[in-house]
Amino acid sequence: GESVGLHLPTLSVQEGDNSIINCAYSNSASDYFIWYKQESGKGPQFIIDIRSNMDKRQGQRVTVLLNKTVKHLSLQIAATQPGDSAVYFCAENKGNAGNMLTFGGGTRLMVKP
Amino acid sequence: SAVISQKPSRDICQRGTSLTIQCQVDSQVTMMFWYRQQPGQSLTLIATANQGSEATYESGFVIDKFPISRPNLTFSTLTVSNMSPEDSSIYLCSVVTDRGALGDTEAFFGQGTRLTVV
Repeated sequence: GESVGLHLPTLSVQEGDNSIINCAYSNSASDYFIWYKQESGKGPQFIIDIRSNMDKRQGQRVTVLLNKTVKHLSLQIAATQPGDSAVYFCAENKGNAGNMLTFGGGTRLMVKP
Repeated sequence: SAVISQKPSRDICQRGTSLTIQCQVDSQVTMMFWYRQQPGQSLTLIATANQGSEATYESGFVIDKFPISRPNLTFSTLTVSNMSPEDSSIYLCSVVTDRGALGDTEAFFGQGTRLTVV
């Protein structure tokens, strides 16, 4: 269906600080979640993923947390850098929906030097 | 991984005309997806394109407006027909590849086509 016509929320952080970007998902049957980063003028790029049988997964400078009870996903970026400035989207794969992804609304991260 | 080439990267079109966007993948994939991203918004799935069958459209999108071709496993086109200013958006193609034993999939996106209808 169509996305709601809302402008992206913005998170502004100081360089070197940690960033936390939140996402709520809708379908309790979703079993796979992904965070994407989209820089200006580019397509989304994969950052990190997590399956529903996990509640935490760590990558390089990034951590994804999954709370299935409240259907909430978060992305933590440690020591945020100017190159992290982008729009971040969460996406869910709804199990029996094949490989289709449903995207959340997105958050714009701005890193202040 | 998959590398996707999408073109044109941008275009400015007159209302009432049509634009065909091409998506080329460097490997064979079963499913290709077309998304729309309106200014300041998230990605919305338009349709899923499978080789050898008609595309499956999401609610709010119809074949007459967004006809899709999928002639082989590495290529697809999306046409935006009879354009109006409301069609101004970024259009992205995406493919999904299997990542192995866990059965997880990873999605790759083209750079997008920025369409402005005047």
